[in-house]
Amino acid sequence: RKEVEQDPGPFNVPEGATVAFNCTYSNSASQSFFWYRQDCRKEPKLLMSVYSSGNEDGRFTAQLNRASQYISLLIRDSKLSDSATYLCVVNRPPGGGNKLTFGTGTQLKVEL
Amino acid sequence: NAGVTQTPKFQVLKTGQSMTLQCAQDMNHEYMSWYRQDPGMGLRLIHYSVGAGITDQGEVPNGYNVSRSTTEDFPLRLLSAAPSQTSVYFCASSYSTGNEKLFFGSGTQLSVL
Repeated sequence: RKEVEQDPGPFNVPEGATVAFNCTYSNSASQSFFWYRQDCRKEPKLLMSVYSSGNEDGRFTAQLNRASQYISLLIRDSKLSDSATYLCVVNRPPGGGNKLTFGTGTQLKVEL
Repeated sequence: NAGVTQTPKFQVLKTGQSMTLQCAQDMNHEYMSWYRQDPGMGLRLIHYSVGAGITDQGEVPNGYNVSRSTTEDFPLRLLSAAPSQTSVYFCASSYSTGNEKLFFGSGTQLSVL
């Protein structure tokens, strides 16, 4: 089983739609979770951290389910500019920048 | 505010050639690292450094060398390029070793023929 698994997509959605991605992780001791965004042929950029209580940043909501070992990203009112690949990132304890496992990414295409 | 600067953006090598990918950051970050990204695989850590003079291996270090003589610079050397090293390479840094928020350079697309 991969340490971090994501549905590669692509998810093709119309502008204005709500879309959700899930990511599962295998290490139950993981404590830090992130979503990064990567535009085509560009570098990954941190979108948001994922907290145990869930967190929201504008149209983006991240949730963590420790019991089932998955995290999710919900995007409301999708914009064309949201088209990108979304990378799920999980730490391997004890943590630190060198202890991150990246998923392969979920591709989102928002269409008119 | 340059952030993390990587050069070159593109490079084509012949099998057996050597080269150095440059990475510099101007944020006074303690932690720097190199990743490679291949289709169908997540980013994989090649080497990392927790400070000047300190380097360590990541998941896929074979065929690569690094050094960290200054806080700002972290070059990646390919000793004898192989087709299996065809990939996109990213340099990344973070404020400290325990800080998992990474800032990435714009990447280097390397082809080894």
